[in-house]
Amino acid sequence: GAVVSQHPSWVICKSGTSVKIECRSLDFQATTMFWYRQFPKQSLMLMATSNEGSKATYEQGVEKDKFLINHASLTLSTLTVTSAHPEDSSFYICSPQHMGYTDTQYFGPGTRLTVL
Amino acid sequence: TQLLEQSPQFLSIQEGENLTVYCNSSSVFSSLQWYRQEPGEGPVLLVTVVTGGEVKKLKRLTFQFGDARKDSSLHITAAQPGDTGLYLCAGAGEETSGSRLTFGEGTQLTVNP
Repeated sequence: GAVVSQHPSWVICKSGTSVKIECRSLDFQATTMFWYRQFPKQSLMLMATSNEGSKATYEQGVEKDKFLINHASLTLSTLTVTSAHPEDSSFYICSPQHMGYTDTQYFGPGTRLTVL
Repeated sequence: TQLLEQSPQFLSIQEGENLTVYCNSSSVFSSLQWYRQEPGEGPVLLVTVVTGGEVKKLKRLTFQFGDARKDSSLHITAAQPGDTGLYLCAGAGEETSGSRLTFGEGTQLTVNP
């Protein structure tokens, strides 16, 4: 399977601060990156889809000014949670799509965000 | 909007028992994937099925894709405590093959020793 890394694996921050999460595809080039969030014992919820070099497309109900996504290269995408609040506490998971292998998606190990 | 209904949502069984998890939809999928996720980790791909009627086996796990490519099942034989986890099915739309996944609600499986 593909190798995907996320950094940090967990972060605790104060309310009002911004947090940046990095996602790297280590052994393949990803033209598309999906960002998900997951609440305890629930399924994944797609937040946004980004294509390298383009603006991200956000799902309904996801604030684009709050969740900033940058996909500047084929191996790196970042999600910045701006002015985080306790309700933003969640498990954030990225999923790069392997160029040419669109039937399979691999996922990063996730980032646990806790906002105090 | 494509929906995937996954059942059961929660399942607690004893070691050695068999179980089946179902994913059903009214939509046709070009492919369907099954993932297993442990707490604090990302989902790990178990299998991808792409052909209607396809059956794939992975040790004690058997995956089936419906003939019409609208449903799928995961059967585990002689479950073990190590099988405990969240099982997720996810379908790729026929119109936008692979570009976006529709997830089921997940099945939280607990296998008690």
